[in-house]
Amino acid sequence: GDSVTQTEGQVTVSESKSLIINCTYSATSIAYPNLFWYVRYPGEGLQLLLKVITAGQKGSSRGFEATYNKETTSFHLQKASVQESDSAVYYCALSERGSNYQLIWGSGTKLIIKP
Amino acid sequence: DAGVTQTPRHEVAEKGQTIILKCEPVSGHNDLFWYRQTKIQGLELLSYFRSKSLMEDGGAFKDRFKAEMLNSSFSTLKIQPTEPKDSAVYLCASSLDWGGYAEQFFGPGTRLTVL
Repeated sequence: GDSVTQTEGQVTVSESKSLIINCTYSATSIAYPNLFWYVRYPGEGLQLLLKVITAGQKGSSRGFEATYNKETTSFHLQKASVQESDSAVYYCALSERGSNYQLIWGSGTKLIIKP
Repeated sequence: DAGVTQTPRHEVAEKGQTIILKCEPVSGHNDLFWYRQTKIQGLELLSYFRSKSLMEDGGAFKDRFKAEMLNSSFSTLKIQPTEPKDSAVYLCASSLDWGGYAEQFFGPGTRLTVL
């Protein structure tokens, strides 16, 4: 079946250091996966951080980047220099364009920033 | 513009009770989603409406969960009868034109505890 895997439940990074949050996917029944990162900041609702709908393309927002890699079926989230305000839970998700296919969610990765 | 609103924010129910959760989507949005979030299962889709028509009824959740969209600006999720395993956060989201790739806007959620 289709699935999204986030291997780390929690990641701790020192402020101003670089970050990578891993996301891999399996899309056996989806011809053209769309990939998303959603984020939930403390006390706020889930919100879209970035999305990429074409393999090989990169999405970016608020200093975060993620590249849709079809060969490795990955969509890792990266940031060159994290800030305390980046503390949040990050969710990777996939769907299929042009259909009403539901979002398939990863389990989420909690990012903790050390001052 | 108001975001997605959900009431109540917290609900405590005795086993066997009927509870109704409410959601108001973003004005003008055509798609409405109900999700359940638990630590073990993560985010699971319960129901999906497209222009008030039920598109997805959540499969395994059918027997005790019933979502309705009475008009384009109001939806309810009824759980009847409640069981302790229903304790979770229930999220409502809306999208202007989902199509498998548009942004979903989430409400703050209702935290349900079933004793």
